[in-house]
Amino acid sequence: EADIYQTPRYLVIGTGKKITLECSQTMGHDKMYWYQQDPGMELHLIHYSYGVNSTEKGDLSSESTVSRIRTEHFPLTLESARPSHTSQYLCASSVESGTTNEQFFGPGTRLTVL
Amino acid sequence: KNQVEQSPQSLIILEGKNCTLQCNYTVSPFSNLRWYKQDTGRGPVSLTIMTFSENTKSNGRYTATLDADTKQSSLHITASQLSDSASYICVVSDRGSTLGRLYFGRGTQLTVWP
Repeated sequence: EADIYQTPRYLVIGTGKKITLECSQTMGHDKMYWYQQDPGMELHLIHYSYGVNSTEKGDLSSESTVSRIRTEHFPLTLESARPSHTSQYLCASSVESGTTNEQFFGPGTRLTVL
Repeated sequence: KNQVEQSPQSLIILEGKNCTLQCNYTVSPFSNLRWYKQDTGRGPVSLTIMTFSENTKSNGRYTATLDADTKQSSLHITASQLSDSASYICVVSDRGSTLGRLYFGRGTQLTVWP
């Protein structure tokens, strides 16, 4: 199993709270990603990073923000959580190998905003 | 439009039986195709990765096939076990960008009954 960790695994909070979802990997991968996944639906890319001090928005518009100060750490922050943010958030990292760019996923954070 | 379609949406089989899951894609230019297994509440775990030149790849009881001409892939599971109950996600990568953009299917939810 890949060495990529996410905390917390589950989070239930009230509307308007600021939250940070943590993601760390110990594989030294340059590329990291955040996905959002609703039940029975496909993963949607919301943020990615090519390396330290590099962050980009993904395909799905998200009110969250990310930072990449260290290679191994890629936290996601919601300044003011809303019920529409309720979802599963998956972090991933990757390294290029030949023609592949295999992504390794963390266990996810299940966020519920009341 | 680049898409990945999976069928069936859900499948129930008895323990010990075989099954085949299907994936059709329209992603172009094609780089590689992966099958992931995602247990409930967990992140996806890679089962196989196939590039354009590969038409079959096995990983234990899992065998994936790829027909790049018809843009179809299948995942065959042999002698199913209760632990095979999970969502199986087909993911196709293009080679039109540095990121190696991934296109996710919605998954096939497999349930194995004793």
